[in-house]
Amino acid sequence: DTAVSQTPKYLVTQMGNDKSIKCEQNLGHDTMYWYKQDSKKFLKIMFSYNNKELIINETVPNRFSPKSPDKAHLNLHINSLELGDSAVYFCASSQDTGTITDTQYFGPGTRLTVL
Amino acid sequence: GQNIDQPTEMTATEGAIVQINCTYQTSGFNGLFWYQQHAGEAPTFLSYNVLDGLEEKGRFSSFLSRSKGYSYLLLKELQMKDSASYLCAAMDSNYQLIWGAGTKLIIKP
Repeated sequence: DTAVSQTPKYLVTQMGNDKSIKCEQNLGHDTMYWYKQDSKKFLKIMFSYNNKELIINETVPNRFSPKSPDKAHLNLHINSLELGDSAVYFCASSQDTGTITDTQYFGPGTRLTVL
Repeated sequence: GQNIDQPTEMTATEGAIVQINCTYQTSGFNGLFWYQQHAGEAPTFLSYNVLDGLEEKGRFSSFLSRSKGYSYLLLKELQMKDSASYLCAAMDSNYQLIWGAGTKLIIKP
């Protein structure tokens, strides 16, 4: 049973296209995240979201938008893809209990290649 | 500003011991996490420290000194499967994780 799942695992597309990456967690967690990991392997937070609040990293272009149909899903939609968007995108979730033991569980990642 | 520093790469020998250091500067502090990430895979949780001292978990131990803004991950009896990147992340006062760039650990026979 996969705790955090993402689809697709690989995504190859042309510049200018619009694409979505789906994420689902079956852990009953309240908070979900999207990260971008580039070729230098630096893990960069893009969004964190629970049913109360969306926190956006101000450096993320507005071409990127999270969409949450329900508590268990947080999809990432990207408009007008650019070459620099090529990276691995990780979804993660954590139990937002307001305590400090808020371990994040990661999905397997989606490798996006923009041609 | 908030910042995490850790070495970019380290090399060690199978069966040996290696210590990966991490220093952090955050607005407030709510704990220090270590994650392991094998090439092409997702990060997985290794340890969490919020109090000063050493937490031991099998071959892996993690240490924290809050006054120094310093942590280390200690790996004993190294195995080839320990070759991976090790990510240090500090949680700030808003419970947001500030991530380091990771330390790539190379294990040689």
